[in-house]
Amino acid sequence: DVKVTQSSRYLVKRTGEKVFLECVQDMDHENMFWYRQDPGLGLRLIYFSYDVKMKEKGDIPEGYSVSREKKERFSLILESASTNQTSMYLCASSLYARNTGELFFGEGSRLTVL
Amino acid sequence: AQKVTQAQTEISVVEKEDVTLDCVYETRDTTYYLFWYKQPPSGELVFLIRRNSFDEQNEISGRYSWNFQKSTSSFNFTITASQVVDSAVYFCALRRGSGSARQLTFGSGTQLTVLP
Repeated sequence: DVKVTQSSRYLVKRTGEKVFLECVQDMDHENMFWYRQDPGLGLRLIYFSYDVKMKEKGDIPEGYSVSREKKERFSLILESASTNQTSMYLCASSLYARNTGELFFGEGSRLTVL
Repeated sequence: AQKVTQAQTEISVVEKEDVTLDCVYETRDTTYYLFWYKQPPSGELVFLIRRNSFDEQNEISGRYSWNFQKSTSSFNFTITASQVVDSAVYFCALRRGSGSARQLTFGSGTQLTVLP
């Protein structure tokens, strides 16, 4: 089974802190994604990576950056956390660049920014 | 632009009742894919089904069934004889038939609660 592991289930940070959310997948998937989930808004794509060191902005990239130095690891970085970034963050991976959309998700990281 | 609408924010049923979750989509593409995902309380979204735009056959998998109707741009999901373990948030999603894998649009989700 594909396993997508997010390093922290729950984090509490202060405004202005730098935050790293880590995601690792163990099935050699090319694509990795970071989504943000908010009530009533569903999942919104923050960033997407289709290969090592390659990335594309999603629908809401402002305030975020990403890093993919190794194929299995995709990190989401909040350079200076703000209260409006309090949310559930979901990492996902998939096999092909042009796959038909089946994603494998981690369990999520719930971030609270005070 | 693509859009997925799940008008039902929350549904509550008693165990063994049937329940239908609605999904309406908008797209200008002729080739596209539709999905349902389940998010149990543990948080991890689980893939349930994928349907392409050229296959309007309804599908049944155990207690789950899906009704795809291009004429009404709907892809509804029915759970027969619901169980408490079906309690979750369910997401409908739409992906373009071409383009990068980033082009997957999710609906806002429906919280289903099955009461014992």
